[in-house]
Amino acid sequence: DIVMTQSPDSLAVSLGERATINCKSSQSVFYGSNNKNYLAWYQQKPGQPPKLLIYWASTRESGVPDRFSGSGSGTDFTLTISSLQAEDVAVYYCQQYYSTLLTFGGGTKVEIK
Amino acid sequence: EVQLVESGGGLVQPGGSLRLSCAASAFTFSSYDMNWVRQAPGKGLEWVSYISSSSNTIYYADSVRGRFTISRDNAKNSLYLQMNRLRDEDTAVYYCARGGTTARPIWFDPWGQGTLVTVSS
Repeated sequence: DIVMTQSPDSLAVSLGERATINCKSSQSVFYGSNNKNYLAWYQQKPGQPPKLLIYWASTRESGVPDRFSGSGSGTDFTLTISSLQAEDVAVYYCQQYYSTLLTFGGGTKVEIK
Repeated sequence: EVQLVESGGGLVQPGGSLRLSCAASAFTFSSYDMNWVRQAPGKGLEWVSYISSSSNTIYYADSVRGRFTISRDNAKNSLYLQMNRLRDEDTAVYYCARGGTTARPIWFDPWGQGTLVTVSS
């Protein structure tokens, strides 16, 4: 199985400041044949199901604010919230779909400092 | 609005069985692959199973293979998860989540609200 490791486990950021979440895969999730990274990001607020934010590592889902961005390739990926808002308090997960045995990272909890 | 509504959760003893259902609406269910994903209390997300739109391709997580069976009824716009030989560690909220249209697992969007399964004596 591809193991996804997120860091940090939690972070506290001031309103309006940048939040950066890292995700590392145990093997590359990049397909050279189509030049795509098979990685998605989700946001889960308390008491709610997860919500898709980003797929193909950097494509923002329709309706997701542009303060959310994804980057990286191969085994190292980043989710960036450029200017943290109160409504962004949540747990964020990365997920690989390179393998048909789908796996998630352990999650990163984002709070307000 | 696309909607996924899970049902069938509850309290079951170790070794018991339970069948979860997911009712889909507001999209062409028969065109989409579907998944079950679970979340133990206070823990992270764990993918459980995938089924392609035509039911031709099915995958399971190692933790449930041989005990759980995924199925669907496209005429009823419904997804199912038959869970047998349940263990304490199967206790979780089980989410139904839509996949893509390519008969290959991708991301999950959207998700249902989930149904809680508690395995305890």
